[in-house]
Amino acid sequence: AQKVTQAQTEISVVEKEDVTLDCVYETRDTTYYLFWYKQPPSGELVFLIRRNSFDEQNEISGRYSWNFQKSTSSFNFTITASQVVDSAVYFCALSEATSGTYKYIFGTGTRLKVLA
Amino acid sequence: KAGVTQTPRYLIKTRGQQVTLSCSPISGHRSVSWYQQTPGQGLQFLFEYFSETQRNKGNFPGRFSGRQFSNSRSEMNVSTLELGDSALYLCASSLGASGNGLTDTQYFGPGTRLTVL
Repeated sequence: AQKVTQAQTEISVVEKEDVTLDCVYETRDTTYYLFWYKQPPSGELVFLIRRNSFDEQNEISGRYSWNFQKSTSSFNFTITASQVVDSAVYFCALSEATSGTYKYIFGTGTRLKVLA
Repeated sequence: KAGVTQTPRYLIKTRGQQVTLSCSPISGHRSVSWYQQTPGQGLQFLFEYFSETQRNKGNFPGRFSGRQFSNSRSEMNVSTLELGDSALYLCASSLGASGNGLTDTQYFGPGTRLTVL
C-alpha cells in the first residue's frame, strides 16, 4: 500500500539556520510522482515541486533544494538560510497508480516555525 | 490568470443536511480534484474529474459525490452530514495534459471550511 511518512511533527529554528524536512514513502510501483506543498496560516496549499520516479536529479530553487533518493525511498526538502516567512506546514505527497486508478497520498505534514 | 476559486468560503450546517461546494478551476485546466483536511485524518483525496468524468476516487463513502460541468467547473456534494464531516475542503486544478490530473502539477484553491453542528 502507498504510504508517506513525515516523522517530524514540528521543527523550530532560528532565522538564517538551515533546516531539512524529511519525507519517506512506500510504493510498489516503478512509476510514481512525488510532491511538496507549503500550507501557510491562510490555509491554501502552495505547490513547491513535482518529481517523477525516473528523475533522481536533485533540484535547487533559490533557498529551496530537494534530495530524491530512490535507494532509501526518501524525498527530503531543505531550506537554506530560513526566514520567518517560511513558517508554515509542509506536506509531502505521493501519486501512484493502483489497479489502473491513481491515488494521492499526503504525509501528515511538518510544522516549521522560524523564529526571528 | 485567475487562480482556483471556491465558494462558499465558510459554511455551517447541521447533522443530516446536505451541502454543495463549488470549485472553478484555472482557465484552461481540465482536471479538478477534491481533498478533505481534518486535524485527525490530515489531507485525504476524495476524487478527481476530467472532462466531466470521474477518473480517480479515494476511500470515502457514497455520501460524498461530485460532478464536473462542460466548462470544467466542479461541484462536490455531501449528503446526510455527520459531525465528522467538519473539515476544510480543498479543490485543486491541473491541465490534465499528461492524461492524469493527479500526476500533474496541481494548483489549490483557498478551501471551503465546513462546520457541521
